[in-house]
Amino acid sequence: QQQVKQSPQSLIVQKGGIPIINCAYENTAFDYFPWYQQFPGKGPALLIAIRPDVSEKKEGRFTISFNKSAKQFSLHIMDSQPGDSATYFCAASKAAGNKLTFGGGTRVLVKP
Amino acid sequence: EAQVTQNPRYLITVTGKKLTVTCSQNMNHEYMSWYRQDPGLGLRQIYYSMNVEVTDKGDVPEGYKVSRKEKRNFPLILESPSPNQTSLYFCASRRQGRVVGNQPQHFGDGTRLSIL
Repeated sequence: QQQVKQSPQSLIVQKGGIPIINCAYENTAFDYFPWYQQFPGKGPALLIAIRPDVSEKKEGRFTISFNKSAKQFSLHIMDSQPGDSATYFCAASKAAGNKLTFGGGTRVLVKP
Repeated sequence: EAQVTQNPRYLITVTGKKLTVTCSQNMNHEYMSWYRQDPGLGLRQIYYSMNVEVTDKGDVPEGYKVSRKEKRNFPLILESPSPNQTSLYFCASRRQGRVVGNQPQHFGDGTRLSIL
């Protein structure tokens, strides 16, 4: 069973819109939650990450919101641009652990 | 330039014909890992290695082998490939920090395998 569930599978927004991607996890031992961005023909690259001691983290136009009690976290892309069109993966792991568990991915298309 | 290099990038082969996908990193990272990416399933870890001669199973190790004889190389071996191993494969590496959260993984650009 998937320990990290990601939704939606795909998303289309107009330029300037705010795509929101949601993830839910089951394992309460997870305490590191990164997001990876993947462009066609390339490997995933770390975008932003959060630990459960904070409820929100911003880096540029990307914001992670974290709800520990609900075991959910989400990625918001503010003022989205066509260059943000990519597949986004949430992930989770335990501190000092050796496994990174990924969600199923969300393909985001930002129309000009 | 820091990078993880995979070869080949594309391969079409037939059931049962042994193949090896190579992975090399130039960042002197201790930790290396192999993933497969399938639609709707995200990336699933196949094997990982904490350092030379230290390897362990990930979530989907069946049908795969790995070896870590040198720090920079971590080849993935399919001894008898089957059609259900048709997938997009990624190698990744990172420093083996005390806390994994501080050490982002660097991914190669992928190898697309088709097994007929």
